[in-house]
Amino acid sequence: NAGVTQTPKFRVLKTGQSMTLLCAQDMNHEYMYWYRQDPGMGLRLIHYSVGEGTTAKGEVPDGYNVSRLKKQNFLLGLESAAPSQTSVYFCASSYSGYQGYTFGSGTRLTVV
Amino acid sequence: AQSVAQPEDQVNVAEGNPLTVKCTYSVSGNPYLFWYVQYPNRGLQFLLKYITGDNLVKGSYGFEAEFNKSQTSFHLKKPSALVSDSALYFCAVRETMDSNYQLIWGAGTKLIIKP
Repeated sequence: NAGVTQTPKFRVLKTGQSMTLLCAQDMNHEYMYWYRQDPGMGLRLIHYSVGEGTTAKGEVPDGYNVSRLKKQNFLLGLESAAPSQTSVYFCASSYSGYQGYTFGSGTRLTVV
Repeated sequence: AQSVAQPEDQVNVAEGNPLTVKCTYSVSGNPYLFWYVQYPNRGLQFLLKYITGDNLVKGSYGFEAEFNKSQTSFHLKKPSALVSDSALYFCAVRETMDSNYQLIWGAGTKLIIKP
């Protein structure tokens, strides 16, 4: 089925460990986004990309890095995980800046 | 600065009654407005959007929303609620001339439909 796929779905990290979250979309969308969702805070944009090879910072970029080497993939990296990064992470993609987003099912990350 | 407010953390409605989930926004120019729904342990699903044109926008699952420029509101409505409508609803806005393409999100409203 066409859509946005996130891997992994769940992960527990120890403080200081690193990991990469993968987002893959098969809809040929130009725009891709990484959000984190925390209770009572809605969605906060971490980084986004408006096309292959481009990335930009969102509202809460500190502690995260991203790469978009291929149009269909958008990777989110945590170099040194901290408990404050415990959250649910969502990837989304869009055909253009004013189209609706298609979201992945999320990655639940716990940093202990 | 752009912002979105969903003034109600939770809305309770009896099945079969009409429902309204409120959203107000603040942008410096013309807005693009969106509603999304999130079911438990799932990603967000697009419901509807307002870009331009008719103020009443129809979307998925029988939902509609009315854009009111003077009141800077974009309330989500449904004439007859179903128990299956119970979920978390998010309103989002983007200013049309914003070259950063970012959506600004409300904090979400939990909708509970009681049988």
